[in-house]
Amino acid sequence: GNSVTQMEGPVTLSEEAFLTINCTYTATGYPSLFWYVQYPGEGLQLLLKATKADDKGSNKGFEATYRKETTSFHLEKGSVQVSDSAVYFCALSDRDSTLTFGKGTMLLVSP
Amino acid sequence: DTGVSQNPRHKITKRGQNVTFRCDPISEHNRLYWYRQTLGQGPEFLTYFQNEAQLEKSRLLSDRFSAERPKGSFSTLEIQRTEQGDSAMYLCASSLAEGTGELFFGEGSRLTVL
Repeated sequence: GNSVTQMEGPVTLSEEAFLTINCTYTATGYPSLFWYVQYPGEGLQLLLKATKADDKGSNKGFEATYRKETTSFHLEKGSVQVSDSAVYFCALSDRDSTLTFGKGTMLLVSP
Repeated sequence: DTGVSQNPRHKITKRGQNVTFRCDPISEHNRLYWYRQTLGQGPEFLTYFQNEAQLEKSRLLSDRFSAERPKGSFSTLEIQRTEQGDSAMYLCASSLAEGTGELFFGEGSRLTVL
């Protein structure tokens, strides 16, 4: 079946540091890939997505590239801010938009 | 607020009692999903509806769980004879059937079974 594996957290960074959160997946067919973010006290919200191989999703300074050859969708940001502190979930959708999520990675950014 | 609304936000109950959660999706969305999230885990799919039809159910949804969406608008998730292992956050999400796969989530209903 489908599965998503992402690096365990928490990831602790200083403001303006470079961020990478690794995500790999196992799926049949050609899934769409997503990063969702959950800020403290809020619901999950879509951060970015990519629907086919080599697509790059981007939003709010975050980027991720759909790599079919390595089955990966790593999240990156060049300079994190304190307001980026949240839990980040990698997810895939193969049909009917039923998402399979990873366990989540907590990011803590200090001033 | 036109987002996904869930009630109650927190429910504490004793083992063996029944509980019901309600979800009001974004009004023009015809798909509605239920997920369960336990501490330190990502959300796990439970079931989803397209309009009033329940199209898929996860094996996680035991016989004690039932979900309805009677008029294709709001949905309820009922858990009968609750067990301590049912303690979790229950998330509702909605989307357009013809959409891009983006789900809009509510803030969740937290269940604590004592």
